[in-house]
Amino acid sequence: SSELTQDPAVSVALGQTVRITCQGDSLRSYYPSWFQQKPGQPPLLVIFGENDRPSGIPDRFSGSISGNTASLTIAGAQAGDEADYYCQSRDISYNHLVFGGGTKLTVL
Amino acid sequence: EVQLVESGGGLVKPGGSLRLSCAASGVTFSNAWMSWVRQAPGKGLEWVGRIRSKSGGGTTDYAAPVKGRFTISRDDSKNTLFLQMNSLKTEDTAVYYCTTLFYWGQGTLVTVPS
Repeated sequence: SSELTQDPAVSVALGQTVRITCQGDSLRSYYPSWFQQKPGQPPLLVIFGENDRPSGIPDRFSGSISGNTASLTIAGAQAGDEADYYCQSRDISYNHLVFGGGTKLTVL
Repeated sequence: EVQLVESGGGLVKPGGSLRLSCAASGVTFSNAWMSWVRQAPGKGLEWVGRIRSKSGGGTTDYAAPVKGRFTISRDDSKNTLFLQMNSLKTEDTAVYYCTTLFYWGQGTLVTVPS
């Protein structure tokens, strides 16, 4: 299957740690990328590869994977982290790219 | 500074055609594998298709909903990516982003009214 499944919404108290998950068969073979998208803005890459961050992304953001489930962990959540988060990987069969449905993160 | 600037969006009738462009700067465009990703109003991200660099074969892949209707091409001499969209449907209404996945443009809106 090429699908990536994410919880539609997650909330976290200010300053706490939150984990956003992504499930899919392709994750057994390929590391996902994670994107943050705020309203009216294009997506922003926050995690790629095993657990790499582009320049400018704080180390509060980290990625991990276990079996067919990938996680994006945000430590010490801030109000500015409130956004939609998307995982992205590859379709095993057709070498296509695929996105998860997105998780809306609310910081309380 | 890397910039990807999309253009060419607009209002088009069902069954019509539109050609999007993406001008790249600050990146070695000829080496870049480029994708188009779209986002319907209020919805999530959807990968549309990709073109590899010439050194990577220059080949294209497309998502099932657009295969046979959309064509991705590139002009490395002008650092420009294209998306030719034919037989447009109402469900193609979306913001279309040009991206290397590492870098993203601001997007251009395509509207196909019902």
